Amino acid sequence: EPEVTQTPSHQVTQMGQEVILRCVPISNHLYFYWYRQILGQKVEFLVSFYNNEISEKSEIFDDQFSVERPDGSNFTLKIRSTKLEDSAMYFCASSGTTGSSSYEQYFGPGTRLTVT
Amino acid sequence: GEDVEQSLFLSVREGDSSVINCTYTDSSSTYLYWYKQEPGAGLQLLTYIFSNMDMKQDQRLTVLLNKKDKHLSLRIADTQTGDSAIYFCAERGLNSNYQLIWGAGTKLIIKP
Repeated sequence: EPEVTQTPSHQVTQMGQEVILRCVPISNHLYFYWYRQILGQKVEFLVSFYNNEISEKSEIFDDQFSVERPDGSNFTLKIRSTKLEDSAMYFCASSGTTGSSSYEQYFGPGTRLTVT
Repeated sequence: GEDVEQSLFLSVREGDSSVINCTYTDSSSTYLYWYKQEPGAGLQLLTYIFSNMDMKQDQRLTVLLNKKDKHLSLRIADTQTGDSAIYFCAERGLNSNYQLIWGAGTKLIIKP
């Protein structure tokens, strides 16, 4: 069964450093998302991406964040200068474009980001 | 803004039915979802319901939607130890392209 994959599973970085979180969405999906979950808090939407541009973003997704689809398979989230409060589990998701597949967001296993 | 609320824990005996409840505030919700998260794993889509439906059944899972009360429930029949997980309710509003708003998750604990 196709699945969303994410690398790395755990990333430790120092405050102020740049990190790139990587995701490989399901191959025929065209909508991509990033969510995060700070420990003990709710899952929060960050951004959705379609046709090589951001289609929706939350207030959390400020200038420190960017997303990119550098090739035909990867979808990345970059945090330019990490802060302690960026420590969280980051989930990538993807969905299709037609019929019921457009309503179904499939998630990867997450990348745990720890900022020290 | 929109909000989704769930109780944090539910404890049931193996073989009984589990009913996990969720309330939401967005009256324009179009789709409501249930996701399952097992320890160390990602968010697995279990089922979802469109807002013009009031019930959806899928094997052991039954979703009930009371749109008037903005109440969603997930019933798991014949609960097994493998059902131990955190269950998240999420909704997608009419005014959002694809953003999901999440509850805090209900941890289902199975007693032998």
